[in-house]
This record gives sequence, C-alpha cells and structure tokens, in this order.
Amino acid sequence: AQSVAQPEDQVNVAEGNPLTVKCTYSVSGNPYLFWYVQYPNRGLQFLLKYITGDNLVKGSYGFEAEFNKSQTSFHLKKPSALVSDSALYFCAVRDGIKAAGNKLTFGGGTRVLVKP
Amino acid sequence: DTGVSQDPRHKITKRGQNVTFRCDPISEHNRLYWYRQTLGQGPEFLTYFQNEAQLEKSRLLSDRFSAERPKGSFSTLEIQRTEQGDSAMYLCASSSDLPGNEKLFFGSGTQLSVL
Repeated sequence: AQSVAQPEDQVNVAEGNPLTVKCTYSVSGNPYLFWYVQYPNRGLQFLLKYITGDNLVKGSYGFEAEFNKSQTSFHLKKPSALVSDSALYFCAVRDGIKAAGNKLTFGGGTRVLVKP
Repeated sequence: DTGVSQDPRHKITKRGQNVTFRCDPISEHNRLYWYRQTLGQGPEFLTYFQNEAQLEKSRLLSDRFSAERPKGSFSTLEIQRTEQGDSAMYLCASSSDLPGNEKLFFGSGTQLSVL
C-alpha cells in the first residue's frame, strides 16, 4: 500500500520569506511524486512532478521540490513567498508500476498562509 | 474551456434519496477517476476507469455507490439511499495513459450536502 504524510496542518510565512511544505511518502516500487494546490471553491491544480532524473524539479509559479530517496521525502519549496500563494497544498504519490494506472494517493494537505 | 467538467456544482438532498453526478473528462483522456474529499482532508480515491472498463474500486465505495462510463467518454457516479456521512466534495479527474502524461487534471467538483 502507498501512503503520504504531510506533518504540518498549517504553515505561516511572511511575504518574501522562503516557504517549505513537508511531505514524506511510502510506496513499494519506484515513486512517482506530485504536488497539487487547491484554492477555495476550486479543483486541484498541478504544480510539479518527479518521475525520474534530477532530484530537484521545478514547477509552476516558481515552486520547486526536492526528491530525497533515502529520507523518502519530497518537500515543496519556494524561495520567496507571495500573499497569493496562500492556499491548500497536497502531496501525492503513485507506484511507478504500470498496473497502478495513474491512481494517486494524497496526503492530508497543508494550509499555507502568507502574511503581508 | 476544454478542462474537466462536473455537474452539478452543488447538490443538496435529503437522507435516503438517490443522487447522480456527471463528469466530462478532457476529450483525449482515456482514464477517468473519482475521488471524495471531506473538509480539511486530502482527496480519497474511489474508483477509476480505463476507457469504459472500471479497473479498480476502493473499499470506501460501498454497495450504495456505483459508477459508470458507458462509452468511454463521460462518467456518472450514483449514490443510492444517501446518508449524512456521504456529505463531501466529489472530484473527478482524467489523464492519458501515454508515458510522460502521468498528471491528473481535476474538475471543480460536486459538493454534496445530505440533510
């Protein structure tokens, strides 16, 4: 079985400061890892993914994430947070085997609040 | 807009009634997924289709829940004899099965309230 843990329910950060949202995962095969963002009354929007290759992946809106296999982590980062980054962030994982389809398992989410 | 469409956006029903939701995926996507999300939680997988075949169902999907994708295009999710615990946001997503197209595209969801 696959699982995702997001240990922080909420992260508060001042505008212009670095933002980090933590994620650890468990999967039996090679992990495919994703970050999604959800704004109020909106569906989930894709930010970035790690499938293979460089451990540091860059995504939308200036976000990046670092895959760490030994720590089974995939933390989301942004060097300088904006007030408009305030939203709910979800980490997700799927097993890399083809039979898994693209079914994702999501973490519980982390609410990010960026204060002016 | 060629994204994933869900209808209705909101549904209020009385306990014991049946409800049906519709999802129209991105047209070239052959995979379609249903998820359920309760307030403050991450989406939970319910079921997924590859074309018209339902390939996997979660244990969360009780006998009161049924999903179909009859022609491999749109999908419906029906909940019979609704219970208050069914109140949630029901999300639909679609994707391609081609390599490099692993990400899911989500609709805005149907918010169900069971009174």
